[in-house]
Amino acid sequence: AQSVTQLDSQVPVFEEAPVELRCNYSSSVSVYLFWYVQYPNQGLQLLLKYLSGSTLVKGINGFEAEFNKSQTSFHLRKPSVHISDTAEYFCAVLLIKAAGNKLTFGGGTRVLVKP
Amino acid sequence: NAGVTQTPKFQVLKTGQSMTLQCAQDMNHNSMYWYRQDPGMGLRLIYYSASEGTTDKGEVPNGYNVSRLNKREFSLRLESAAPSQTSVYFCASSDKLAGGLSVSTDTQYFGPGTRLTVL
Repeated sequence: AQSVTQLDSQVPVFEEAPVELRCNYSSSVSVYLFWYVQYPNQGLQLLLKYLSGSTLVKGINGFEAEFNKSQTSFHLRKPSVHISDTAEYFCAVLLIKAAGNKLTFGGGTRVLVKP
Repeated sequence: NAGVTQTPKFQVLKTGQSMTLQCAQDMNHNSMYWYRQDPGMGLRLIYYSASEGTTDKGEVPNGYNVSRLNKREFSLRLESAAPSQTSVYFCASSDKLAGGLSVSTDTQYFGPGTRLTVL
C-alpha cells in the first residue's frame, strides 16, 4: 500500500525568505512523485513531478524538489517566496495499475507568506 | 481550451436529497477521476474511469455512483445525500491509458471544484 505524509500542516514564512515543505512516502513499488499547488478557491495545478533520472526536479514558479530514495522523501523548496506563493501544497505518489493509474495525496501544507 | 469544467460551483442539499455533479474535459483525455477534499486529509479518490466505458472504485466510493457518459464527460451522483458528504469535490483528467508502459503523460488536470454542503 502507498501512503504520503506531509509533516507540516501549516508553514508561515516571510516574503523573500526560503521555504521547505516536507513530504515522505511509503511505497513497495517504483515511485513516481508529484507536487501540486492549490491557490485559494481554485483547483490543483501541477508544480513538478519526478518520474526518473535526475533526483533534483525543477518546476514552475521557482520551485524545486529533491527525490531521496534512502530517506523516502520528496521535499519541496523555494529559495525566496513571494506573497503570491500563499497557497496549499500537496505531495502525491502515483501507483501504476493495469486497471488504471491512481494518485495518493498527502494531507496538504498550507503556506502563508507574510510581508 | 477550457480544460476541465465542473458544474455547479456551489450546492446546498438537505439530507436525503439526490444530485449529480457534472464534469467535462476538452483535452481528449482518456482517464477521468472524482476526488473529495476535506481539511487535513488531502484529496481522496472516489471513483475513476481509466477509459471510456469503464469505471472503478477508488478509496472512498460508498454513497456515490458515477457514469462515464462519453470520452468528454464523467458525472458523480449522490443518491441520498448525508452530512458526511459535505466536502469540496474535484474532477480531474489525464491522458493516460490503463496500464503502465509509460508514465510520462500521467499528469492530472483538475477542475475548479464544487463546494457541496449537506444539511
